[in-house]
Amino acid sequence: SQKIEQNSEALNIQEGKTATLTCNYTNYSPAYLQWYRQDPGRGPVFLLLIRENEKEKRKERLKVTFDTTLKQSLFHITASQPADSATYLCALDDTGGFKTIFGAGTRLFVKA
Amino acid sequence: DGGITQSPKYLFRKEGQNVTLSCEQNLNHDAMYWYRQDPGQGLRLIYYSQIVNDFQKGDIAEGYSVSREKKESFPLTVTSAQKNPTAFYLCASSGAALLNAEAFFGQGTRLTVV
Repeated sequence: SQKIEQNSEALNIQEGKTATLTCNYTNYSPAYLQWYRQDPGRGPVFLLLIRENEKEKRKERLKVTFDTTLKQSLFHITASQPADSATYLCALDDTGGFKTIFGAGTRLFVKA
Repeated sequence: DGGITQSPKYLFRKEGQNVTLSCEQNLNHDAMYWYRQDPGQGLRLIYYSQIVNDFQKGDIAEGYSVSREKKESFPLTVTSAQKNPTAFYLCASSGAALLNAEAFFGQGTRLTVV
């Protein structure tokens, strides 16, 4: 069956450290993968998109990798801050890009 | 201000009632989506529309209906056939698939059955 898996357990890290979140998928062949941030009671906000022919993409303190062989994406936040505390969702396209499917998200807590 | 607007923010429904959630966007996006989010779960796709007057069922369409009569609008009706409608509903829009896939979300509607 098709699955997108993110760590269900919350990730707790100290301010200034690098947070690394994992997204694994099964039985999909996505053309791209996206990462979103969601705060409680709010809609998700787009962060980064990485295409299947890209290994890595960066935006300020954020870095995403995409390994289509391992069927995995890693999302890194360097020099993390308490304001980075949120739930981070990965998403990928299905059926030729016409549907976007989301993982359940990983909750990140950054302690000062 | 360009964006996507959902209303109302909170909605209470009595058992057996149909309710309609509004979603409007002024981003000129072709694609629009409805997702349902339950605590501790990811966003599950209810319906999506790639173009006006066309829409497709997602993974959990039973008990829901939609229309796409205008590019800007994609209302979702939660019917009495939906047995467990209490959830957080999110509407999203995006540009052309594969080329401009970033999804913009509304602020959500929290529906509670009373």
